Amino acid sequence: KAGVTQTPRYLIKTRGQQVTLSCSPISGHRSVSWYQQTPGQGLQFLFEYFSETQRNKGNFPGRFSGRQFSNSRSEMNVSTLELGDSALYLCASSPGASGSNQPQHFGDGTRLSIL
Amino acid sequence: DQQVKQNSPSLSVQEGRISILNCDYTNSMFDYFLWYKKYPAEGPTFLISISSIKDKNEDGRFTVFLNKSAKHLSLHIVPSQPGDSAVYFCAASPATRANRKLIWGLGTSLAVNP
Repeated sequence: KAGVTQTPRYLIKTRGQQVTLSCSPISGHRSVSWYQQTPGQGLQFLFEYFSETQRNKGNFPGRFSGRQFSNSRSEMNVSTLELGDSALYLCASSPGASGSNQPQHFGDGTRLSIL
Repeated sequence: DQQVKQNSPSLSVQEGRISILNCDYTNSMFDYFLWYKKYPAEGPTFLISISSIKDKNEDGRFTVFLNKSAKHLSLHIVPSQPGDSAVYFCAASPATRANRKLIWGLGTSLAVNP
């Protein structure tokens, strides 16, 4: 069974640009969550999607947005990039929504660097 | 405000000995706890979980203990192996159905020396 796939693995952008990251969950998983990981802050929850609907949202500005498609694949978009957005962005999937107490399975992340 | 705290940024143990990783939480609404392991350049991998109705859960070399009164949980790895060297994250989830997102600690880097 294929794991969670995130593309691209590495990305370099400049301030002010926008970026779209992609996540393909494990087959059959309907929930996709996104996290930002930085050295000092650990894993910070961005948002969760289930059946194409955003169920939970973390404390990030509106520049961070996402969506989920009918095949459960998800994209995350960051507009007007800032230096502080440099981080590892992780996607995780699970069979049910976050209230179902099922562990999340993570992809290897997209390393975003802002110059 | 860090609701899930892993106060030891790093831990070093000898191969074959026990590794004990600790995690404290402040929110009494948390009722589901998980441990993940992360190698460099890879995403976190689920290790073991525990529900608040239990005080212990075991899976092979890994055992998680939960002390609800102290708001403390710990992960025991016995015996420790060099391949266990990684960053370990503790995560917790509240019982509130409306906003049941995982809250993560900052991680503890474990080094198991041969």
